[in-house]
Amino acid sequence: DVHLVESGGGLVQPGGSLSLSCSASGFDFASHAMHWVRQAPGRGLQYVSSITIDVTSTNYADSVKDRFTISRDNSRNTLFLHMNSLGPDDTAVYYCVKDREPYNWKYFDSWGQGTLVIVS
Amino acid sequence: DIQMTQSPSSLSASVGDRVTISCQASQDISSYLNWYQQKPGKAPKLLIYDASNLETGVPSRFSGRGSGTDFTITISSLQPEDVAIYYCQQYDFLPLTFGGGTKVEIK
Repeated sequence: DVHLVESGGGLVQPGGSLSLSCSASGFDFASHAMHWVRQAPGRGLQYVSSITIDVTSTNYADSVKDRFTISRDNSRNTLFLHMNSLGPDDTAVYYCVKDREPYNWKYFDSWGQGTLVIVS
Repeated sequence: DIQMTQSPSSLSASVGDRVTISCQASQDISSYLNWYQQKPGKAPKLLIYDASNLETGVPSRFSGRGSGTDFTITISSLQPEDVAIYYCQQYDFLPLTFGGGTKVEIK
């Protein structure tokens, strides 16, 4: 079974930084594109960022571009999200999400349980 | 960015009712649309991909249709375990975008 476990969330002051990790198991991590999706309390889903299997391509929502950096370590089956210049609007549960595809960003087919980031 | 507009934002129906949720894209996205179900306190789950294909393990009472700008997901006979928020998501254009969600409750 696919297992995605996020960590690194917590309380951070406005303007601060935080790094999230996602440990993946139960599938060939190196063969799947990965994503971060967030959900503010009581709100809908918001796309954050994506990365291909070989890190040749990344993409970001406009709201996080130039502040967030997605990366991955295929040798450690781990996905990362480095977040800088955090503001209250970044408060959300951050989900690590697996794609069915290696190079195309299409299907959020497995989700972690999420990690809560509070900017206050 | 492609705007995805869902309607209604919430609905209440009886067990056994047929329920349909709509999703409209701000421009043509062909069939590049997925549907997700998020039960209370849980992570979302992929239900339908490419507008009409049922994900493995999803009950056959769920179905999806549409192409271009107008899409629907239908629950043919609403069950108590279908209480959730349903989201559509397009992947034709970057950034990937979600609809605002439709909350389904039991009357």
